[in-house]
Amino acid sequence: AQSVTQPDIHITVSEGASLELRCNYSYGATPYLFWYVQSPGQGLQLLLKYFSGDTLVQGIKGFEAEFKRSQSSFNLRKPSVHWSDAAEYFCAVGRTNFGNEKLTFGTGTRLTIIP
Amino acid sequence: GAVVSQHPSWVICKSGTSVKIECRSLDFQATTMFWYRQFPKQSLMLMATSNEGSKATYEQGVEKDKFLINHASLTLSTLTVTSAHPEDSSFYICSAPVVTDTQYFGPGTRLTVL
Repeated sequence: AQSVTQPDIHITVSEGASLELRCNYSYGATPYLFWYVQSPGQGLQLLLKYFSGDTLVQGIKGFEAEFKRSQSSFNLRKPSVHWSDAAEYFCAVGRTNFGNEKLTFGTGTRLTIIP
Repeated sequence: GAVVSQHPSWVICKSGTSVKIECRSLDFQATTMFWYRQFPKQSLMLMATSNEGSKATYEQGVEKDKFLINHASLTLSTLTVTSAHPEDSSFYICSAPVVTDTQYFGPGTRLTVL
């Protein structure tokens, strides 16, 4: 069975500083990996996804993530955070790249931005 | 991107009553919708897959008689929590997938059972 671990429950970062959110997955085959952001009152929004090819994936809002098979990781990064980035971030894994694939989510990392 | 709505956004009910939550895909058709449950500080747990024109598929451990799902049309799925109890209090989220794209999530419904 697949699983996702997000080791950091809560991270606080100063506005303008860089950010890295950790995600480790467990899956026996080629994983399909996703990062979602959840803001209050809004549905989860897809930031980026990795299926194959280049292991550095660019997403929306200036986010990127790097797939490292040797470390079973898919960490999310942003060079300079903005106050509007404060939200809950979820990493997820699926078995295929179809939109109707059932996803397994991590427990999320809450990001707080301080001025 | 596609938009998915949920109604209501927040509901409080008494123990023993039933509550219906609606999930709508506003600008696209969805033959499949997913229903998730999210506990505070925890992950989204898939409860069931709603299928238009057929019965829902429930994940292991989810009581199908407790959580009734009806996929009434290509744009509407409903989740009814029957005989709700305080332990059913949670955040319920639906998503509607576009097969060639990704899942689009609703904003969620917070259920509080007194």
